[in-house]
Amino acid sequence: AQKVTQAQTEISVVEKEDVTLDCVYETRDTTYYLFWYKQPPSGELVFLIRRNSFDEQNEISGRYSWNFQKSTSSFNFTITASQVVDSAVYFCALSEALFGRYGGSQGNLIFGKGTKLSVKP
Amino acid sequence: EADIYQTPRYLVIGTGKKITLECSQTMGHDKMYWYQQDPGMELHLIHYSYGVNSTEKGDLSSESTVSRIRTEHFPLTLESARPSHTSQYLCASSEWQGSNEKLFFGSGTQLSVL
Repeated sequence: AQKVTQAQTEISVVEKEDVTLDCVYETRDTTYYLFWYKQPPSGELVFLIRRNSFDEQNEISGRYSWNFQKSTSSFNFTITASQVVDSAVYFCALSEALFGRYGGSQGNLIFGKGTKLSVKP
Repeated sequence: EADIYQTPRYLVIGTGKKITLECSQTMGHDKMYWYQQDPGMELHLIHYSYGVNSTEKGDLSSESTVSRIRTEHFPLTLESARPSHTSQYLCASSEWQGSNEKLFFGSGTQLSVL
């Protein structure tokens, strides 16, 4: 069975601090995808990144970086120099990789419970 | 960025009422989803659709039903609402960007059943 664990329920930091959000996953699939989504107070989820299980290279996008470690089944997300606008709930998610009759290569997402990040000025 | 709309934003109703949560997207996406999210909890997939006349049940069993008569419209219906249905319902659609399937979410409907 697939499972995503985000052990940190809430994190509070002061602006300009770096913060890392942890994500640990379980899957029996050898090929899968990992995601991070941001849910600001307005409610909608915003896609941040997708990583496939073949690619363990870490990725950096501006102040965001992701550390994928297959050996520990972790896909952690770091925000550098946090800002108040980063305040949101962040969800880690997992999906199997499949090639169904409708094409495509991604199964339905399994989400973690989310980590609420509060960045104070 | 995303053109996916959910109405109503908030809904408070009494037990036993029939309700329909609306979801529309103007992006021409074939695949659409409904997720249920309890406060402080993860999102659970309750329904999805690959396109017109396609509906599938998700990972979490739900008493709700969906329909997909038009590409842009994916309403969710509860025939007889109960307090256990109190939750936030998020609609999403997806498109392929290169080799990535990207989901776009609506702002959600917060449903309270008294």
